[in-house]
Amino acid sequence: DAGVTQTPRHEVAEKGQTIILKCEPVSGHNDLFWYRQTKIQGLELLSYFRSKSLMEDGGAFKDRFKAEMLNSSFSTLKIQPTEPKDSAVYLCASSGQGNAEQFFGPGTRLTVL
Amino acid sequence: SQLAEENLWALSVHEGESVTVNCSYKTSITALQWYRQKSGEGPAQLILIRSNEREKRNGRLRATLDTSSQSSSLSITATRCEDTAVYFCATEPEEGADRLTFGKGTQLIIQP
Repeated sequence: DAGVTQTPRHEVAEKGQTIILKCEPVSGHNDLFWYRQTKIQGLELLSYFRSKSLMEDGGAFKDRFKAEMLNSSFSTLKIQPTEPKDSAVYLCASSGQGNAEQFFGPGTRLTVL
Repeated sequence: SQLAEENLWALSVHEGESVTVNCSYKTSITALQWYRQKSGEGPAQLILIRSNEREKRNGRLRATLDTSSQSSSLSITATRCEDTAVYFCATEPEEGADRLTFGKGTQLIIQP
């Protein structure tokens, strides 16, 4: 079975640009998570979907970050407009349901200049 | 504030030695999971230990859970260079959010 797929693996953007990150969860998983990872803050939850419905939308990230899940096998994370402080690794994870083990993708490393 | 957190930012030991990573948490839990993240990869689960278990083993890994002190440890014996990674604990809360809460992680470096 395929694991979680994320594209692109690396993204470089100019300040003010719009970028879209993509994620394909493990087939059959109900829950999908987007995280931002930095050395200082560790893993920060950006969004959490269950059966395509948005369950949590990280408060601090609401203004410029928007995650969508148009179908059960694909999700996007849009950052608009990007700022240099958004430079981080963005991880997507999926799980069966609730507190089950989360399966992570390899992440997208975003650099904003 | 973090609901789960590892107690050290970083640890370094020599190959072959044993090492322990500690985690503390702040809420009642049904289980705790340990994850490992190697460079360039996403985290992957190592061990799941339930609240009614005190110890769980997986090869060279041993996790303990003390619900009275709300703490857990992950021990690795006979460490290898490939154990170099960031180690996270993640808690399954008894109440509230129906999802895992991750700590910030401990960077473990295994020196040759």
